[in-house]
Amino acid sequence: GAGVSQSPSNKVTEKGKDVELRCDPISGHTALYWYRQSLGQGLEFLIYFQGNSAPDKSGLPSDRFSAERTGGSVSTLTIQRTQQEDSAVYLCASSLAGHLSGNTIYFGEGSWLTVV
Amino acid sequence: AQTVTQSQPEMSVQEAETVTLSCTYDTSESDYYLFWYKQPPSRQMILVIRQEAYKQQNATENRFSVNFQKAAKSFSLKISDSQLGDAAMYFCAYRSGSGANSKLTFGKGITLSVRP
Repeated sequence: GAGVSQSPSNKVTEKGKDVELRCDPISGHTALYWYRQSLGQGLEFLIYFQGNSAPDKSGLPSDRFSAERTGGSVSTLTIQRTQQEDSAVYLCASSLAGHLSGNTIYFGEGSWLTVV
Repeated sequence: AQTVTQSQPEMSVQEAETVTLSCTYDTSESDYYLFWYKQPPSRQMILVIRQEAYKQQNATENRFSVNFQKAAKSFSLKISDSQLGDAAMYFCAYRSGSGANSKLTFGKGITLSVRP
């Protein structure tokens, strides 16, 4: 597609439920990132995929969070047993090959998760 | 680890005037990239300007320019002839030049308001 596409744009879920957030990166982009942005805060890195390499999961806050990227394209971020502190905007981004670090990272519009 | 600091949480500027947003960073690397992103209420992160650390010349994009002081590890954004549409949250970000660690590290952001 023309840009990074994320779904759903808004999600309200009950505490304790699992949620899945989807990201469709820009075609041809091999690097994919997930960030979390709490209300009025900066962006917190969660996870990074680059091609077929093992993902960098160093930013995942707990084992309730996981992500996968199938076929080197679409990615799904899963949050199990959601807690109220998980409420945030989850931003996905993509770029050309990670070793070309100067390449611009393009962001989607985010998925706004509210846990009630 | 790299850190990015934006010490001013908010700034205000009169329409048509000039404003400078400050950013400092800490790194032991010599090869890296710096970015300013704009986030309007729509949540879409938009790249404003980028600077390669190996370039001495300050980047410029129309009304946006940077003052890159590598020795001082300072990277400020100047917005000239401010417009109402410039009102947004602005994030300074760092990206390593090493492909092994190419995620963006963000500052906490600054909210810019433009007075008509």
